[in-house]
Amino acid sequence: DIVMTQSPLSLSVTPGQPASISCKSSQSLLHSDGKTYLYWYLQKPGQSPQLLIYEVSSRFSGVPDRFSGSGSGTDFTLKISRVEAEDVGVYYCMQGIHLPRTFGQGTKVEIK
Amino acid sequence: EVQLVESGGGLVQPGGSLRLSCAASGFTFSSYWMHWVRQAPGKGLLWVSRINSDGSSTSYADSVKGRFTISRDNAKNTLYLQMNSLRAEDTAVYYCARGYGAPGGFDYWGQGTLVTVSS
Repeated sequence: DIVMTQSPLSLSVTPGQPASISCKSSQSLLHSDGKTYLYWYLQKPGQSPQLLIYEVSSRFSGVPDRFSGSGSGTDFTLKISRVEAEDVGVYYCMQGIHLPRTFGQGTKVEIK
Repeated sequence: EVQLVESGGGLVQPGGSLRLSCAASGFTFSSYWMHWVRQAPGKGLLWVSRINSDGSSTSYADSVKGRFTISRDNAKNTLYLQMNSLRAEDTAVYYCARGYGAPGGFDYWGQGTLVTVSS
């Protein structure tokens, strides 16, 4: 199984400041079709996960442009350019190239 | 609007069975892979199972293989998870999620249904 490792596991951010979460996979997520199957999800308190970023860097419908994803192969980053109060929750990366789908441990983001 | 609504969770004794349902609306259900993902209390996300669009192919996490069965009824726009021989460690919120391509991730999730396995 592909192991997904996130860091840090928790983050306390002042509103308006940037935040960055790292995700590393134990195998390359680059598929022979040329796409890289790395996803980012946010689970807000008491809610189900919601898709933020698909295929490394594409924002899902309705996701604010303060969220951006980057990376390649096995190293990926989610950046929030200016954190807002509504961004609190747990962020998960997930690989979508092989079964079983596997998630990172989650990064809890809170507001200072 | 895409909607996924799970039901069927509850309290069950160890060794018991439960069937979860996920009612889909707002999209052509028969065109998408579907998945089940679970989350134990206070823990992270764990993929459980997937089924392809016509139901001819399924996959399972090792932890549930041989005990859980995923299925779908495209005429009823409904996904199922039959869970047998339940264990305490199966206690979790179970989410259904729409597959976003194959390979691929999940784009829409339901609100989840809680399964508690306890005597």
